[in-house]
Amino acid sequence: EAQVTQNPRYLITVTGKKLTVTCSQNMNHEYMSWYRQDPGLGLRQIYYSMNVEVTDKGDVPEGYKVSRKEKRNFPLILESPSPNQTSLYFCASRMDRGNYEQYFGPGTRLTVT
Amino acid sequence: GQSLEQPSEVTAVEGAIVQINCTYQTSGFYGLSWYQQHDGGAPTFLSYNGLDGLEETGRFSSFLSRSDSYGYLLLQELQMKDSASYFCAVRDRTGGFKTIFGAGTRLFVKA
Repeated sequence: EAQVTQNPRYLITVTGKKLTVTCSQNMNHEYMSWYRQDPGLGLRQIYYSMNVEVTDKGDVPEGYKVSRKEKRNFPLILESPSPNQTSLYFCASRMDRGNYEQYFGPGTRLTVT
Repeated sequence: GQSLEQPSEVTAVEGAIVQINCTYQTSGFYGLSWYQQHDGGAPTFLSYNGLDGLEETGRFSSFLSRSDSYGYLLLQELQMKDSASYFCAVRDRTGGFKTIFGAGTRLFVKA
């Protein structure tokens, strides 16, 4: 089954404790993104990657890091989480940068206390 | 900068037709997409307009006017299961290949 998976689905952590949210897709997609969703703000793109070893900032990259060492995986790293990073995070992929249909993972609900 | 505007809420009755508008401002426009998101779920792709005009997919249609920087999603024969949030999104080629989403329109379908 074609899908995007994220782990963990729920995470409660404390300020400053490094964490990684994993994202994996099995569709051989080139383009992957991370978004955060906050009430009233829609989805805001954090980082995206157009292919292996190619990443670029979205609209809200501060406080986040990403890597793309393999085509299928695109982890999101919070080196020193802060309460303002409490949010719902979605990973998404699409075939390539010219394609428009994005497939979203189930989401990760992160709470930073 | 880049921005999209859509109404925050729309209410309609079952069986009716509803239109959700989206106006955008971006300097590197490259297509308008629509996504649906049910409570607790992930966004799912509905439709895409790269050129002016109407695209139809079953009960859903989407329209784009690039000269007006405007598009809309039309939902016909509304069903209770259509109650969800709907997001318009643009791909922006300015400074890369970002995707910008609107804040979303919450659709309530009443019996």
